[in-house]
Amino acid sequence: QQQVRQSPQSLTVWEGETAILNCSYEDSTFNYFPWYQQFPGEGPALLISIRSVSDKKEDGRFTIFFNKREKKLSLHITDSQPGDSATYFCAASGTGNTGKLIFGLGTTLQVQP
Amino acid sequence: AQTIHQWPVAEIKAVGSPLSLGCTIKGKSSPNLYWYWQATGGTLQQLFYSITVGQVESVVQLNLSASRPKDDQFILSTEKLLLSHSGFYLCAWTGGFQNTLYFGAGTRLSVL
Repeated sequence: QQQVRQSPQSLTVWEGETAILNCSYEDSTFNYFPWYQQFPGEGPALLISIRSVSDKKEDGRFTIFFNKREKKLSLHITDSQPGDSATYFCAASGTGNTGKLIFGLGTTLQVQP
Repeated sequence: AQTIHQWPVAEIKAVGSPLSLGCTIKGKSSPNLYWYWQATGGTLQQLFYSITVGQVESVVQLNLSASRPKDDQFILSTEKLLLSHSGFYLCAWTGGFQNTLYFGAGTRLSVL
């Protein structure tokens, strides 16, 4: 079964709106959660990450909210821009081992101008 | 700065033909190296990893093999391609087990 789940599968927002991408996980030992952004035909690039000791991580327009008790996290993209249109992958690993990341199926975001 | 280069950018191959994909990391000594596979519109599946020259661990069995002939080079290959091998192959590296995972630009493989 999928250890890292993402929803929705696809999301369309208007330029300037806040896009909210959700992620949940099964394994309570997971403690490192990066989000990767992937444009068509390119390799994924790390966007922002959080460790389980924190409940929030902010980087410009991108914010991760983390709920350890519910094993859920979300990526908020404020003031969405057409250039943010991409697929976003939530990933997780235990002991912070980035070599053992488990990826979700991704959320494809479309920002309409 | 570290750079990761994958080759070729794209390949169109026939079923049953051999394949060799390559990846080179510059600017980082003794990186941990990984091969990932991504089906069109799909998630990222780790195939192999290597923490040192000459040592490669397989994560999933897909009738593929990998080798690390040099510290900065990682090769993915097979002697006989299947239709199911089509997809996007990504090389990745980290500086250590708790360091950021960086991906290359990928190789698009179409098996016909």
